[in-house]
Amino acid sequence: DAKTTQPTSMDCAEGRAANLPCNHSTISGNEYVYWYRQIHSQGPQYIIHGLKNNETNEMASLIITEDRKSSTLILPHATLRDTAVYYCIASGTYKYIFGTGTRLKVLA
Amino acid sequence: NAGVMQNPRHLVRRRGQEARLRCSPMKGHSHVYWYRQLPEEGLKFMVYLQKENIIDESGMPKERFSAEFPKEGPSILRIQQVVRGDSAAYFCASSWTGTENTGELFFGEGSRLTVL
Repeated sequence: DAKTTQPTSMDCAEGRAANLPCNHSTISGNEYVYWYRQIHSQGPQYIIHGLKNNETNEMASLIITEDRKSSTLILPHATLRDTAVYYCIASGTYKYIFGTGTRLKVLA
Repeated sequence: NAGVMQNPRHLVRRRGQEARLRCSPMKGHSHVYWYRQLPEEGLKFMVYLQKENIIDESGMPKERFSAEFPKEGPSILRIQQVVRGDSAAYFCASSWTGTENTGELFFGEGSRLTVL
């Protein structure tokens, strides 16, 4: 699995978009980019994943650069309940490598 | 549709005792994964099992740890002769796809082991 690099922490105002970056410059062609989040040490929750095209679901959007070396997770209208640690994972298998993630704090 | 169920949620053991953690995957899922999370760290892969088979145990410590997923019943992660360093949160996940996972893993709420 490719190594990913994320900022340690970010703040976002409630109602604004939260843009969480991730670098995965060594990603290989068969590796997907996954995003999970962990709220209060609960079990990780799947958010979204993609290979090379941008993806959107009811939770978030995933923007992957054309060279696939980086991506951005966008939470369009952050709420207080989105406060969590967000993990970016580049993997072609089940052996996810969870780094320390980005601790997102949504401020009222 | 119940999610991944783990029990116990909290377990306290004294050094040298055994810990057994159970995981029931989501209905219809036959692939189970165990991860360990030490305080202030990310999750680390331990083992991947299908029914009655260990597919990949490359993340398991060589001694004292074992896992099984019998034909009937939950998957069990067993830690013998626990030491303080085993104190952690143990998460189970399940999926319906196989080793070339291109979908999501569904995680349970975890079992928190404290070794005194």
